[in-house]
Amino acid sequence: QVHLVESGGGVVQPGGSLRLSCAASGFTFSSYGVHWVRQAPGKGLEWVAFIRFDGSNKYYADSVKGRFTISRDNSKNTLYLQMNRLRTEDTAVYYCAKDRARYSGNYLPYWGQGTLVTVSS
Amino acid sequence: QFVLTQPPSVSAAPGQTVTISCSGGRSNIGNNYVSWYRQLPGTAPQLLIYDNNKRTSGIPDRFSGSQSGTSATLGITGLQTGDEADYYCGTWDSSGGRWVFGGGTKLTVL
Repeated sequence: QVHLVESGGGVVQPGGSLRLSCAASGFTFSSYGVHWVRQAPGKGLEWVAFIRFDGSNKYYADSVKGRFTISRDNSKNTLYLQMNRLRTEDTAVYYCAKDRARYSGNYLPYWGQGTLVTVSS
Repeated sequence: QFVLTQPPSVSAAPGQTVTISCSGGRSNIGNNYVSWYRQLPGTAPQLLIYDNNKRTSGIPDRFSGSQSGTSATLGITGLQTGDEADYYCGTWDSSGGRWVFGGGTKLTVL
């Protein structure tokens, strides 16, 4: 059974940094691309970033480009999101989601339960 | 604001049929498969439909998807109160390489 468990959320001041982790189990993590998706309070889903199965290519939403870095450690079955220069508008629940494909987005059959990031002074 | 356009809300009575539209462009819906997600309050999104019209395991055939040109549609027949949720369409956008979601549609079963 596929499991994705996010961690690392919390409260951080504007301009600060945070690193999120997503521990994967129940499937061959190294064979699939993975996304980060966020949802601000009361708002819709916003895609954040995608990384290919082998980490060779990474894609970012314009809103986080240059501030966030997606990475993965296939030996640890773990996905990461390093978030720097955080802004109040980055406040959201952050989900990791497994894609069906390796190289680019196809569809997202499995999602974690999310971790809340609050950017506030 | 959103690359994919959905109506903010739809409503219908129990037992009726509703459709939710998702409009995009050539670089996204026009060239890539569309998937649909349901989100109940306080929970993670759940995949309903993938590859435009295929149902995920466990999703009843009351749910259907279609795609034509640069638009896609989610259909739900025999509405039940348990269908009340937010629904999102999503697809890959080949222009620059990114995933895109619609703004979401809140379904109310009156």
